[in-house]
Amino acid sequence: QKEVEQDPGPLSVPEGAIVSLNCTYSNSAFQYFMWYRQYSRKGPELLMYTYSSGNKEDGRFTAQVDKSSKYISLFIRDSQPSDSATYLCAMTYNQGGKLIFGQGTELSVKP
Amino acid sequence: DTEVTQTPKHLVMGMTNKKSLKCEQHMGHRAMYWYKQKAKKPPELMFVYSYEKLSINESVPSRFSPECPNSSLLNLHLHALQPEDSALYLCASSQPGLAGGTGANVLTFGAGSRLTVL
Repeated sequence: QKEVEQDPGPLSVPEGAIVSLNCTYSNSAFQYFMWYRQYSRKGPELLMYTYSSGNKEDGRFTAQVDKSSKYISLFIRDSQPSDSATYLCAMTYNQGGKLIFGQGTELSVKP
Repeated sequence: DTEVTQTPKHLVMGMTNKKSLKCEQHMGHRAMYWYKQKAKKPPELMFVYSYEKLSINESVPSRFSPECPNSSLLNLHLHALQPEDSALYLCASSQPGLAGGTGANVLTFGAGSRLTVL
């Protein structure tokens, strides 16, 4: 079993839809959770960073962490074609620890 | 524009060639990383330098040789590569782990160097 599971998609939605991206993990020691966005032929860029459980909101993006269920989510409201990218979840145990990435979900937002 | 600059953007090399990938950052980060990413796969960690010292080597074959000349530069020397080494090579930087800090896991990636080995 992989430490972090993420549905690779692809996921296709119409413009304006609410998108839900999810990862599950097996190791309860993970404490730091991140979402990276990667456009085609570019490096990943940090989108959201969360420590421990709870929600974090930044504009159209909301990250949720449920440590009791070992489940993290990224919600995108009012999705735009410019949101079309691969979204990678990542997590680690401690400061400076090795990031464990999910497989990445390929998202396409159609105009 | 990314604050981590990688050169070259594209590189084609034969199996007997020697080439180098270069990475530069001016954010004052003291940890720098090399990752390898194959198509439709997540990045795989290769090496980590912390304060210019190699701190993690993920059992990478010796045909890949990292070098950190100073706190802003990171090189990856390539020699006798195989076609299966063709991939996107990503450099990243961050602050090293600090107790109570929140920045250590925040990696800033470069755009990558796309390597093709013939």
